[in-house]
Amino acid sequence: AQSVSQHNHHVILSEAASLELGCNYSYGGTVNLFWYVQYPGQHLQLLLKYFSGDPLVKGIKGFEAEFIKSKFSFNLRKPSVQWSDTAEYFCAVTLSGGYNKLIFGAGTRLAVHP
Amino acid sequence: GAVVSQHPSWVICKSGTSVKIECRSLDFQATTMFWYRQFPKQSLMLMATSNEGSKATYEQGVEKDKFLINHASLTLSTLTVTSAHPEDSSFYICSASSDYSQETQYFGPGTRLLVL
Repeated sequence: AQSVSQHNHHVILSEAASLELGCNYSYGGTVNLFWYVQYPGQHLQLLLKYFSGDPLVKGIKGFEAEFIKSKFSFNLRKPSVQWSDTAEYFCAVTLSGGYNKLIFGAGTRLAVHP
Repeated sequence: GAVVSQHPSWVICKSGTSVKIECRSLDFQATTMFWYRQFPKQSLMLMATSNEGSKATYEQGVEKDKFLINHASLTLSTLTVTSAHPEDSSFYICSASSDYSQETQYFGPGTRLLVL
């Protein structure tokens, strides 16, 4: 069955540190890839998405992600995190012909200390 | 743009009663709406997909007679938890998309259900 793996369940960083959250998926066909963020007490918001084209995509708030097809990966990065980035981050995919059905990873809780 | 609301945000009910949760797309027409369930410290699990004017498609293991979904208009979908039991207590989240093929889902704020 198709699945999405997020390797880090909890990440703790100091402000200004660099961030990379791993995401791998298991599916051999065409996928669309997403990163969503859920700030404390708020709903899921889209950070960025990849459908096609340049595999390096830039999202809101300085986040970017790189799609590496050969590695089935879509890692999220930010060069310098802020305290306000404290949130839970979800990687998700939709499958080609999958009618927009999102398959979510388990999520990564990021805590940024001042 | 692309705002999705849910009502209520919190609901507490007695075991055996039914609870209806509304999901509305406020500024776009939602061809498809999705209902998810999120357990504490876990990810979102898709329960069902609904298209306006047609029957919902339920994921494996989700009881369609227990979780009734209606998508009567392009801006409203409802999830009714029938004869709720304590194990139905959870966080229910809806999302909506405006394109059936390759479009982003926009999420509502969620509804926390507590069944006593």
